[in-house]
Amino acid sequence: AQSVTQLGSHVSVSEGALVLLRCNYSSSVPPYLFWYVQYPNQGLQLLLKYTSAATLVKGINGFEAEFKKSETSFHLTKPSAHMSDAAEYFCAVSTGANSKLTFGKGITLSVRP
Amino acid sequence: KAGVTQTPRYLIKTRGQQVTLSCSPISGHRSVSWYQQTPGQGLQFLFEYFSETQRNKGNFPGRFSGRQFSNSRSEMNVSTLELGDSALYLCASSLNLGEKLFFGSGTQLSVL
Repeated sequence: AQSVTQLGSHVSVSEGALVLLRCNYSSSVPPYLFWYVQYPNQGLQLLLKYTSAATLVKGINGFEAEFKKSETSFHLTKPSAHMSDAAEYFCAVSTGANSKLTFGKGITLSVRP
Repeated sequence: KAGVTQTPRYLIKTRGQQVTLSCSPISGHRSVSWYQQTPGQGLQFLFEYFSETQRNKGNFPGRFSGRQFSNSRSEMNVSTLELGDSALYLCASSLNLGEKLFFGSGTQLSVL
C-alpha cells in the first residue's frame, strides 16, 4: 500500500520569495513520485516526476523537487514565486507500470504582490 | 493536437438517477484513467482501461462502472446516484500504461 502526506492545506508567499511545498510518501516498493498543478476550473498538469533516475528532478515553470529516500520526502521548490504560480498542488505516488496514482490532499499556493 | 475532451462539462442530477460521462483521449493514446475529486476525499482513483480492458480498479462501490471502446474513447456510469457522488470527475489519457498522464478539465457532477 502507498500513501502521500502533504502537510498543511494552504501556503502563502510573497512574489519573488522561495516556494517550498512539502510531500512525504509511504511505499512498500520503490516509488514513482509526481507533482501536479491544478488551476481553477482545469484538470491537472504534470510539473515533474521521479522515476529512480536522478534524485533532483527539474520540471516545468522553474519548479524542481528532490527525492530523499532516508526522509521519504519529495518536496517541491521554486526559487522565486510568480503571481501565475497561484494554484493547487498535488503530490502523488505510484508503484508500477500502471496509471493508478495515489494523491495527497493538495496544497493551495497563494502569491502576494 | 486536441487534448483530452470530457463531456458534458457540468451536470445536475437528482438522487436515484443514473449518469454517463464521456471521455475522448488524445489521438493515439490507448490508456484512459478516471479519478474522482471531492473537497473531503481529494483525488481518488476509479478505474484504468487499456485496449478496451479494465486493468485496474479503485475502491468504489459497484454503482460505478466504466468501459472503453475500440477507438479508445471511454465512458463511466454511475447508477442510483447519491448526494455523496457530487464531485469533479477527471479523465486522463496516456500513450500506454504507466506513461505520462494528460488530464481533461473534468465533468462537474452535482447530485441534488
